[in-house]
Amino acid sequence: DSGVTQTPKHLITATGQRVTLRCSPRSGDLSVYWYQQSLDQGLQFLIQYYNGEERAKGNILERFSAQQFPDLHSELNLSSLELGDSALYFCASSATSGFQETQYFGPGTRLLVL
Amino acid sequence: GENVEQHPSTLSVQEGDSAVIKCTYSDSASNYFPWYKQELGKGPQLIIDIRSNVGEKKDQRIAVTLNKTAKHFSLHITETQPEDSAVYFCAADGGSTLGRLYFGRGTQLTVWP
Repeated sequence: DSGVTQTPKHLITATGQRVTLRCSPRSGDLSVYWYQQSLDQGLQFLIQYYNGEERAKGNILERFSAQQFPDLHSELNLSSLELGDSALYFCASSATSGFQETQYFGPGTRLLVL
Repeated sequence: GENVEQHPSTLSVQEGDSAVIKCTYSDSASNYFPWYKQELGKGPQLIIDIRSNVGEKKDQRIAVTLNKTAKHFSLHITETQPEDSAVYFCAADGGSTLGRLYFGRGTQLTVWP
């Protein structure tokens, strides 16, 4: 158990809908990362937050957004969902800003868009 | 951005044999190279990492080597056991001072008893 929690474990929804994925980092960790894992793209970095502020952005679609709250939990919002958004979404956390730090991954949320 | 390539995509070995997974990267600015193990239904778990000022690092049955000149790094698992069966990912930081990682496509390792 990494100490990172993600809810829900599974999510089934329809195209065009909006969903919210939630992540709680390890106790004391200030950075949260979101990754998407799909068969065709592999593990792709989406976005990083550090102590409530966005720090780095990767291959995140405009339909996706995230935020980190004062209690350091984070939410990833996916809107106008398409079939191709079906994937595993992982949250990871690290102690500080992330430079050469271990990232601890949560168990993931499996999203299926029908 | 950084491009990390990983080979082989699948690897089958007999219990007790060694397994080697190789990765290459494109960005010479990369300085941090972690390896993750992902078991079915779980998130990736760090098993070992290496930084650019070190050529080799060992932790019990697992070792990682880094050749910065050639821009490649490798994972070596000795005396493999069935519980080593999983997908292994290499990653590089692309010189980021933050935490962004670029991952290889993964290697499915199967260890037969």
